[in-house]
This record gives sequence, C-alpha cells and structure tokens, in this order.
Amino acid sequence: ETGVTQSPTHLIKTRGQQVTLRCSSQSGHNTVSWYQQALGQGPQFIFQYYREEENGRGNFPPRFSGLQFPNYSSELNVNALELDDSALYLCASSVTIVDEQYFGPGTRLTVT
Amino acid sequence: QKEVEQNSGPLSVPEGAIASLNCTYSDRGSQSFFWYRQYSGKSPELIMSIYSNGDKEDGRFTAQLNKASQYVSLLIRDSQPSDSATYLCAVNFFGNEKLTFGTGTRLTIIP
Repeated sequence: ETGVTQSPTHLIKTRGQQVTLRCSSQSGHNTVSWYQQALGQGPQFIFQYYREEENGRGNFPPRFSGLQFPNYSSELNVNALELDDSALYLCASSVTIVDEQYFGPGTRLTVT
Repeated sequence: QKEVEQNSGPLSVPEGAIASLNCTYSDRGSQSFFWYRQYSGKSPELIMSIYSNGDKEDGRFTAQLNKASQYVSLLIRDSQPSDSATYLCAVNFFGNEKLTFGTGTRLTIIP
C-alpha cells in the first residue's frame, strides 16, 4: 500500500500568478483534506473533499479552490497569489471524513 | 470559537525520562483526538488517536483523554533523542469533520 504523495516538493511563484498543487491519496481513501501551515503554526484547514464533492471549507478566500478525481488524486489551485500564501501546503487522506488522516510530504510554496 | 491550545515550549527532557505533552480544547462536543509528530521541515506523522475517556497505550506512547476537563495529553516513556520534534494536538469537533490543530509543542530530548 503506497502512502500519500504530493507534487511538486518546492515551488517558487511571483505575486499575482496562479499555482496548482497535486496530491495522490492512499488507495481506498475516499477523503482528502488540504491544509496550509505557516512557519511556527499548526496546519490550518483549507477544504475537504469526499467522493469528489466538497465536504467543508475553512476560512480561506474563493481564490483557493480544489478538485478530487475518481483515481484518488486531487489538486489545490490558488489564483492571484499573495506574499502571505507562502507556506507548506499539506494534503491528508482518510477512509472516511471522521477517520485518522495521513499526511503527504507537503509542497513548500514561496511567493515573491 | 473552537480552539485547541498547547504550550509552545520548548520543553526539554533528559534522555530516558518521561516527556509529558498537554493539550486543552474549548468545545465539549469533540469526538476524536489525535497526536502528530512533526520533524523540522517535514510533514506531520500520526502517532496516536484516542476517542474515549481514559488511557491508550502504544509502545512508549500513552495518550490520555478527559472529556469533562477538555484535556488530552501524550506521555512518551524512555525518551530518546529521536523523539525531539514538534508535537501537534488535533481535535475533530463533532459536526465539523475537519481537524483543528494546536500550534504545537517543541520537545527537545537532552542526551
């Protein structure tokens, strides 16, 4: 059984650009959650998808959007990047919405 | 406001001693609780989950939950230098299935 994977590992973007981050969940895990982690903080919930439908959203603006695909992959899109978007972006997968969540290695996004 | 609070530390513990990490949360309707370990520059790694009052042991780790006091703790016995990391407490509040994290406690095991 493979774990959760994310790509790319690191990314540098310019303010105003758009970015797509990708995640591949563990096989059989129908739920994927995305988190943003700033330095020295705990992860902050962005949104969750369950069986390709958005199941909840945190306090993030609409320029943060996502998709989940039938093959256990998902993506996080961020438009109009701002400097404060610089952070570690984590995806976590679980079997259902209330089960233990397992994190991928993360994508470190730097916005200049 | 649903919140999870942890002492940010740093907490320094001699090698071989017991490290005790604490977490309080603000909502009585919480249903599940998790401890994650995060090494610097890495992603969180699940250590323990606990769902009911009492103790749950897994190797050198023991999670303790007291819902009446809104308190969850993690004990690490026979602490090793490799246990040096930031420990994140996460709570799944009932009716809101996302995980809410504390800011983490930085633990240093002193050889």
